[in-house]
Amino acid sequence: DTGVSQDPRHKITKRGQNVTFRCDPISEHNRLYWYRQTLGQGPEFLTYFQNEAQLEKSRLLSDRFSAERPKGSFSTLEIQRTEQGDSAMYLCASSPGTGDVKLFFGSGTQLSVL
Amino acid sequence: DAKTTQPNSMESNEEEPVHLPCNHSTISGTDYIHWYRQLPSQGPEYVIHGLTSNVNNRMASLAIAEDRKSSTLILHRATLRDAAVYYCILRVLNNNDMRFGAGTRLTVKP
Repeated sequence: DTGVSQDPRHKITKRGQNVTFRCDPISEHNRLYWYRQTLGQGPEFLTYFQNEAQLEKSRLLSDRFSAERPKGSFSTLEIQRTEQGDSAMYLCASSPGTGDVKLFFGSGTQLSVL
Repeated sequence: DAKTTQPNSMESNEEEPVHLPCNHSTISGTDYIHWYRQLPSQGPEYVIHGLTSNVNNRMASLAIAEDRKSSTLILHRATLRDAAVYYCILRVLNNNDMRFGAGTRLTVKP
């Protein structure tokens, strides 16, 4: 068990640019989640995958955000035309496909939009 | 959605027990009570969860009130490494949306 891996750890970009983050879940975990966290707040749910299917999306996930999980393994989160308000920590979590939902989080990607 | 209320911050001395409270007066019968903690510069980490009965594991104990409208996370002997933000979360059965609040920031003094 190598844990949930996220890449990159930090990303600095200029407003209007596109960015993409990657998440590698724990092997054989069917469920994958993306959260966003701003300073001083708890994580906010963005979206959830069961294998390759995106089953739930928060209203926080505007049309500039897109997430994929091809083949049900790693996932990517893309933000198009970034805005300063997108600056946050983006957290990925995974959990087994059966049983109670215990989430295993990665260390996150810190995005700064200048 | 059922919500939780936690104090913004708490302090503890090292080696002493810590009781972190959580109020969830609108909890429903199928809501599980989950606790996570977040150390600086890390993602949240699962601590413990329960439904009705008190629970113990190697990290902590969870005491659930008889009416389930409140719960307490108990760290039996706080260490400096327990300094973190602790989140109390209600998870609806079969719902995959875990909603975190602002949590309680625990400071442990040597």
